[in-house]
Amino acid sequence: NAGVTQTPKFQVLKTGQSMTLQCAQDMNHNSMYWYRQDPGMGLRLIYYSASEGTTDKGEVPNGYNVSRLNKREFSLRLESAAPSQTSVYFCASSEASDVADTQYFGPGTRLTVL
Amino acid sequence: SQKIEQNSEALNIQEGKTATLTCNYTNYSPAYLQWYRQDPGRGPVFLLLIRENEKEKRKERLKVTFDTTLKQSLFHITASQPADSATYLCALHSGYALNFGKGTSLLVTP
Repeated sequence: NAGVTQTPKFQVLKTGQSMTLQCAQDMNHNSMYWYRQDPGMGLRLIYYSASEGTTDKGEVPNGYNVSRLNKREFSLRLESAAPSQTSVYFCASSEASDVADTQYFGPGTRLTVL
Repeated sequence: SQKIEQNSEALNIQEGKTATLTCNYTNYSPAYLQWYRQDPGRGPVFLLLIRENEKEKRKERLKVTFDTTLKQSLFHITASQPADSATYLCALHSGYALNFGKGTSLLVTP
């Protein structure tokens, strides 16, 4: 039982390049999330998927797209990377998006955009 | 706007003492409040959830209080150990996802 896995662990991009961050969970959770974490800013929600087949914007969605490929997988795409997207990205999942549900986080992807 | 505030200054305490971390919030009417622990280079890990009608909740050396009148939660670690050194985040549900405070860094020295 791996929990939430993310690939890659580290990535360096040049401005304008694109990439997809992958996330998968094996807990049969319905809801999945993407956060970014920057020094002094805390965790900020980029996009979430309350259930398979649905995605919604969070607090900071600009410059990102997501795909809920199936119940297990939720990917985050940067179409044209910018230095402001340098951050640590965390994927998380929960049984549902109910107020009492706790979230399980992946190990994170450290992205640097030059 | 909704805000979750935690002490930005690191908390340094001696091993064996009780650490107390504070979480204040505004413009939420939460039914639940959660606390997470984050170690450097890793994702947050869930610790405790407390309901609005629970004044206090305990798990081993951890104790959380929740005062909806003061709009505050206190997180206590008793008999602290160097292994408790980490950043602790409180979180409230926004209606569709969790919002997290920026966290308080705790350093426990021998």
